[in-house]
Amino acid sequence: DQQVKQNSPSLSVQEGRISILNCDYTNSMFDYFLWYKKYPAEGPTFLISISSIKDKNEDGRFTVFLNKSAKHLSLHIVPSQPGDSAVYFCAAYKNNAGNMLTFGGGTRLMVKP
Amino acid sequence: NAGVTQTPKFRVLKTGQSMTLLCAQDMNHEYMYWYRQDPGMGLRLIHYSVGEGTTAKGEVPDGYNVSRLKKQNFLLGLESAAPSQTSVYFCASRGTGLAGEGTYTQYFGPGTRLTVL
Repeated sequence: DQQVKQNSPSLSVQEGRISILNCDYTNSMFDYFLWYKKYPAEGPTFLISISSIKDKNEDGRFTVFLNKSAKHLSLHIVPSQPGDSAVYFCAAYKNNAGNMLTFGGGTRLMVKP
Repeated sequence: NAGVTQTPKFRVLKTGQSMTLLCAQDMNHEYMYWYRQDPGMGLRLIHYSVGEGTTAKGEVPDGYNVSRLKKQNFLLGLESAAPSQTSVYFCASRGTGLAGEGTYTQYFGPGTRLTVL
């Protein structure tokens, strides 16, 4: 049973518009969340993270929102750029199990010029 | 500072053959991880290590063994390769540092694409 789910396998957005990538989780013990970006033939690179004690974290064009009651987080990219085209993974750490990161299946974002 | 490196980048094996994947990090990180990535399934943890000389099982450990003889290196072994082990393998590391958000960030290598025929 997947504890971290990204229900949209792909998303297409026009350059300059907002990209919203969603992630749902089932385990209430998760208390720290990360987003990774992955280009083809490369390893995932860290993008942004959020602790469960916060509901928003912002870094430049990237903002992550966390809704604990809904067990839902989202990544907003504003404005979207063609270079943002990649696969995005959300991932979660469980409280007191900081060694193991659980990943979602990924969402492929395509930003059209 | 190369970060996390993986050797080899590509490999083709026949069923039953063995091989070892090497991961090296130069960030003095305590924790190291091996993942496999399969289409639509994200990354799944195979084994991990919390320090030199330690190893532990992850989510999908069967068919793999690991060793952490040196802090900077983490080896993943396949004793008898099977077609189900065809995948892209990623190594990652993270430090312990001070408590805080950056502590949990794992840094990934470029991956090894393995095909088992």
